[in-house]
Amino acid sequence: DGGITQSPKYLFRKEGQNVTLSCEQNLNHDAMYWYRQDPGQGLRLIYYSQIVNDFQKGDIAEGYSVSREKKESFPLTVTSAQKNPTAFYLCASRQGREKLFFGSGTQLSVL
Amino acid sequence: KNQVEQSPQSLIILEGKNCTLQCNYTVSPFSNLRWYKQDTGRGPVSLTIMTFSENTKSNGRYTATLDADTKQSSLHITASQLSDSASYICVVSYPYSGAGSYQLTFGKGTKLSVIP
Repeated sequence: DGGITQSPKYLFRKEGQNVTLSCEQNLNHDAMYWYRQDPGQGLRLIYYSQIVNDFQKGDIAEGYSVSREKKESFPLTVTSAQKNPTAFYLCASRQGREKLFFGSGTQLSVL
Repeated sequence: KNQVEQSPQSLIILEGKNCTLQCNYTVSPFSNLRWYKQDTGRGPVSLTIMTFSENTKSNGRYTATLDADTKQSSLHITASQLSDSASYICVVSYPYSGAGSYQLTFGKGTKLSVIP
């Protein structure tokens, strides 16, 4: 079954803690993206990667970090520098020029 | 500034009724416009794509229209079902070399609730 797998579904972060959200794809897509979704807001781009070992900051990269060591994997770390991390995080990969395939998302909350 | 505005913000309709969602954009140059459906707690899924030369495209009970002159698109849902309850997101793309092939601008979505 091809697709994007995000884990965990729910994640809780304590103050001062770094947490990592997992994103794996078996669609053989080169480009991958991380978006943040807040209630009533449009998706905002955090980071994206066009190819392995390369990634670029999006519109709201502060307080986040990523890596792209394998084509299939694009994990996102929410660092302690991100003061308002509570949100729904979506990972996506791109087919062609603009069609996105999304994972099921991770809801991050602060304890 | 490139923007995508969707209306209404939310909508409640009775099962079996039709409805129309609107998307206005100021993105230029325009490449294409895609409608996504997002179920609660899930990722968006593509419903249909509209290119500059297309006026109407159907996908089952979903019909999208595009007026590139007025920069407006609509998504019409016919004979609504309870499973249509979701957020519908309009995404407009345009060429932008700094972000790969295309840059995407997302609308905030319309939350549709279909009630029995």
